Amino acid sequence: GAVVSQHPSWVICKSGTSVKIECRSLDFQATTMFWYRQFPKQSLMLMATSNEGSKATYEQGVEKDKFLINHASLTLSTLTVTSAHPEDSSFYICSAKAVGTGGEKLFFGSGTQLSVL
Amino acid sequence: GESVGLHLPTLSVQEGDNSIINCAYSNSASDYFIWYKQESGKGPQFIIDIRSNMDKRQGQRVTVLLNKTVKHLSLQIAATQPGDSAVYFCAENEDTDKLIFGTGTRLQVFP
Repeated sequence: GAVVSQHPSWVICKSGTSVKIECRSLDFQATTMFWYRQFPKQSLMLMATSNEGSKATYEQGVEKDKFLINHASLTLSTLTVTSAHPEDSSFYICSAKAVGTGGEKLFFGSGTQLSVL
Repeated sequence: GESVGLHLPTLSVQEGDNSIINCAYSNSASDYFIWYKQESGKGPQFIIDIRSNMDKRQGQRVTVLLNKTVKHLSLQIAATQPGDSAVYFCAENEDTDKLIFGTGTRLQVFP
């Protein structure tokens, strides 16, 4: 099946620094990618929808200036957590929609565990 | 807002038994549902899906049942194996493939 590569798989950073997470579709083009965050023992919460070549659409309560999303190509979307603080520590997951629609065409990355000290 | 929720946070079963994981959804307009399996530290893995014009769909060892009358979804796993141990999420497809996930059920399989 299609592969979505997410990098890094884990990162530890100091409070106040920025962290960039990459999400790549390896063998298909993804016009739309989604970013989720997941706290321990909780469900995935959609943060934003990333569309290639246009601005991301953020869910209510998600600060767009805090979580910068760039989807510059059909195979890459990035999420930058700016001025990270301990409360931003979480598991971040991306998914990519392959052309063809349908839920089965959504493929998930392996996630990035962010720990902010 | 609309939400998708689960009844049981943890389900423990013996290896070889059948497992049933339940999910309640609240958006009656939803027309597509998906079950995902998530192992620790990994992203969700697609298991099976169902559209609202169906009430049952079978895969390999898994069956999804949809009851639109009571807005209930279930995942049945036959002959549960240790490798099935994970957290299972139902998800509701809300236009443009934006998924709304339920709260999750942890399945523990004992030998």
